[in-house]
Amino acid sequence: EDKVVQSPLSLVVHEGDTVTLNCSYEVTNFRSLLWYKQEKKAPTFLFMLTSSGIEKKSGRLSSILDKKELFSILNITATQTGDSAVYLCAVRDNQGGKLIFGQGTELSVKP
Amino acid sequence: GAVVSQHPSRVICKSGTSVKIECRSLDFQATTMFWYRQFPKQSLMLMATSNEGSKATYEQGVEKDKFLINHASLTLSTLTVTSAHPEDSSFYICSAREQGVRLTEAFFGQGTRLTVV
Repeated sequence: EDKVVQSPLSLVVHEGDTVTLNCSYEVTNFRSLLWYKQEKKAPTFLFMLTSSGIEKKSGRLSSILDKKELFSILNITATQTGDSAVYLCAVRDNQGGKLIFGQGTELSVKP
Repeated sequence: GAVVSQHPSRVICKSGTSVKIECRSLDFQATTMFWYRQFPKQSLMLMATSNEGSKATYEQGVEKDKFLINHASLTLSTLTVTSAHPEDSSFYICSAREQGVRLTEAFFGQGTRLTVV
């Protein structure tokens, strides 16, 4: 059975800290891995990764994929209270394109 | 960027009634839309894949007679929760992929919070 596992499930840090969120997967027909940020409502897109070893970066956020070891990390540097959210990792399969989500990491950034 | 509109954003209904949720792609054509359900403190669980002009594909454990999906056009899919019960209370989210475009993110609607009383 395909699965996506995120760790930690929750994390509390202080503003300015750097955090690393983990996502490992076992998906038979892997196409891509996506990271989303979810606050009160629907997820908002952060990154899509398809190739190993190529870092994607957007401001203080960055992400990288390791297709050999089947995991991805999401880094957030100099965290701010506005980064508080649930971060979801999802893998898109190659058949039909559905997304398989991990449980999410709930990040809380304290002032 | 691409926009997906979901309506209503919040609905309260009585047990035994049916509720229809709409998902529209506003500025692109979506041959495939996905319906997810999210319980509090849990991740998104795929319920079904909706393909324009054909029957939806349901995930294991999802009752197709209870969660009716219609994808009549390239811009609209609907999810109808029939004979709703309190245990159906959840956050329902749709997502859509743009027709003919590979390797794209899935665009999500705003979600619908359903409360069955």
